[in-house]
Amino acid sequence: AQSVSQHNHHVILSEAASLELGCNYSYGGTVNLFWYVQYPGQHLQLLLKYFSGDPLVKGIKGFEAEFIKSKFSFNLRKPSVQWSDTAEYFCAVRNNFNKFYFGSGTKLNVKP
Amino acid sequence: EAQVTQNPRYLITVTGKKLTVTCSQNMNHEYMSWYRQDPGLGLRQIYYSMNVEVTDKGDVPEGYKVSRKEKRNFPLILESPSPNQTSLYFCASSPGQGSNQPQHFGDGTRLSIL
Repeated sequence: AQSVSQHNHHVILSEAASLELGCNYSYGGTVNLFWYVQYPGQHLQLLLKYFSGDPLVKGIKGFEAEFIKSKFSFNLRKPSVQWSDTAEYFCAVRNNFNKFYFGSGTKLNVKP
Repeated sequence: EAQVTQNPRYLITVTGKKLTVTCSQNMNHEYMSWYRQDPGLGLRQIYYSMNVEVTDKGDVPEGYKVSRKEKRNFPLILESPSPNQTSLYFCASSPGQGSNQPQHFGDGTRLSIL
């Protein structure tokens, strides 16, 4: 079965620390990859997406992610987090049948 | 303003009483989908629809029905709700297959089944 794994369930960082959230997926075909952010009490918002081309994609709010096809990974990074980045982050994959799979989420807590 | 609108936002009801959660999008999107979000499980796809009159099961379709009679609407129906369907539900839409656009999500519907 296809799946998306986010290995870090809860991450606590101090402001200005660097962030890397892991995401691995299991699907051998063509995929589109996404990272979404969910602030408390809100719906999911797109941070960034990868469809093709440069495997290093830049998103909003200083986030970026790198698609490594050989590792089936799409890790999210930010060089310096802020308190306002406190949220839950979801990795998602769309396969070529247009089905979406989401990871279980990573809660990020940034201490001021 | 481009948006996905879900109603109601909150609902508390009892086991067995049929309910419908509506979802409407104003972006002329072909693809619509329903998810439930549960702690530690992320979002799981319930049903999706590639276009009018075309619906398919997602990963957790049991206990749910959907219909897609019009492009803009994709209601989620719980014929006989049970407590294990207490969850946060999100509707989403996106342009059709082949598009490089992501999904747009509604604000969510929190259902409590007693």
